[in-house]
Amino acid sequence: LAKTTQPISMDSYEGQEVNITCSHNNIATNDYITWYQQFPSQGPRFIIQGYKTKVTNEVASLFIPADRKSSTLSLPRVSLSDTAVYYCLVGRGAGYSTLTFGKGTMLLVSP
Amino acid sequence: DARVTQTPRHKVTEMGQEVTMRCQPILGHNTVFWYRQTMMQGLELLAYFRNRAPLDDSGMPKDRFSAEMPDATLATLKIQPSEPRDSAVYFCASARNGDPSYEQYFGPGTRLTVT
Repeated sequence: LAKTTQPISMDSYEGQEVNITCSHNNIATNDYITWYQQFPSQGPRFIIQGYKTKVTNEVASLFIPADRKSSTLSLPRVSLSDTAVYYCLVGRGAGYSTLTFGKGTMLLVSP
Repeated sequence: DARVTQTPRHKVTEMGQEVTMRCQPILGHNTVFWYRQTMMQGLELLAYFRNRAPLDDSGMPKDRFSAEMPDATLATLKIQPSEPRDSAVYFCASARNGDPSYEQYFGPGTRLTVT
């Protein structure tokens, strides 16, 4: 399984754009890049997934450069409710193999 | 809105007692995961089932933990005997087999406290 590295924590203010970068130097050809969000006292929740270039949904955008050795989760105009832990995962789909959750990035959004 | 359910949500027990945690995966999902989360270790995979068969339980202490799927709608995780170091939040998650998406659907968790 590809190992990922992401910042332990980040701080932001309401209304700002937040970019969380994840490094995954040994990503394999068949690997997808997926991000999960976890609020306190809840299970992780899928946010977005991509393979290459850019993916956007109603919650976030995911930017993946051509070499795929890193990816950036972009949260536009964060609010207090975006305070959570964000996990970057790399590998094949959940239907094929297990996932390894690292320690994630604790994002704290302040007023 | 289909969800993974887990029972109980909270459990406080004394060291040495048996603990059973239950999970109902989303209907139609045939891949089930058990995770344990602590502040120190983060989210750890304990066991992984597909079509009710255990595929990987290498993350589970074999001497005291056991995981089963008696049927497609129920997964169980048992600890016998429980120890204080087992105190954690235990999550169950389910996914569709063959789905290239990494979307695992997590339950609300069981918070276990062993005194």
